Amino acid sequence: GNSVTQMEGPVTLSEEAFLTINCTYTATGYPSLFWYVQYPGEGLQLLLKATKADDKGSNKGFEATYRKETTSFHLEKGSVQVSDSAVYFCALRYPDQAGTALIFGKGTTLSVSS
Amino acid sequence: DVKVTQSSRYLVKRTGEKVFLECVQDMDHENMFWYRQDPGLGLRLIYFSYDVKMKEKGDIPEGYSVSREKKERFSLILESASTNQTSMYLCASTTGGANTGELFFGEGSRLTVL
Repeated sequence: GNSVTQMEGPVTLSEEAFLTINCTYTATGYPSLFWYVQYPGEGLQLLLKATKADDKGSNKGFEATYRKETTSFHLEKGSVQVSDSAVYFCALRYPDQAGTALIFGKGTTLSVSS
Repeated sequence: DVKVTQSSRYLVKRTGEKVFLECVQDMDHENMFWYRQDPGLGLRLIYFSYDVKMKEKGDIPEGYSVSREKKERFSLILESASTNQTSMYLCASTTGGANTGELFFGEGSRLTVL
């Protein structure tokens, strides 16, 4: 079945370090891919998305490229800030299908210290 | 601004009690979802609904039921709460038809069952 695997955390970095959180997926066809972020005490919010192969999603300095050949959607940021500390979820969904839900990875906790 | 509102941020209930978790969205979305979030397990889908009075089981429906009498409201019901239902519950919604699949989440309801 469809699934998402992301690297286990926690990931602990110093401010201004480079961030990579790996995400790979198993799916048939062409799902849309997402990264969601959950800040402490809050619900999930969309960080970025990509809807087809080779698309690059970007937002708030974060980027991820939809790689069909490696079935990956790794999240990167060149210089993290303390305010980026949060839990990050990779997810996939098939659009245009009634009732299909997002399938999430288990989440990766990022902790950034100053 | 789009909004998904969950009625209670924190609840404490006793084993065997009936529990209602309410979710309202103001975006006229067709699809609504209930997830539970647990450490190390990520988000797991309980139920979803793609239309009024329609419901579909997700991955872990046991011990839960749902109600969707109006388009904007999706309720999660625990008929007889048990301690293993202590969790964070997240409601989400999205449009139907052609869309990129982005889900909008509420802030979550943290339920403790004693």
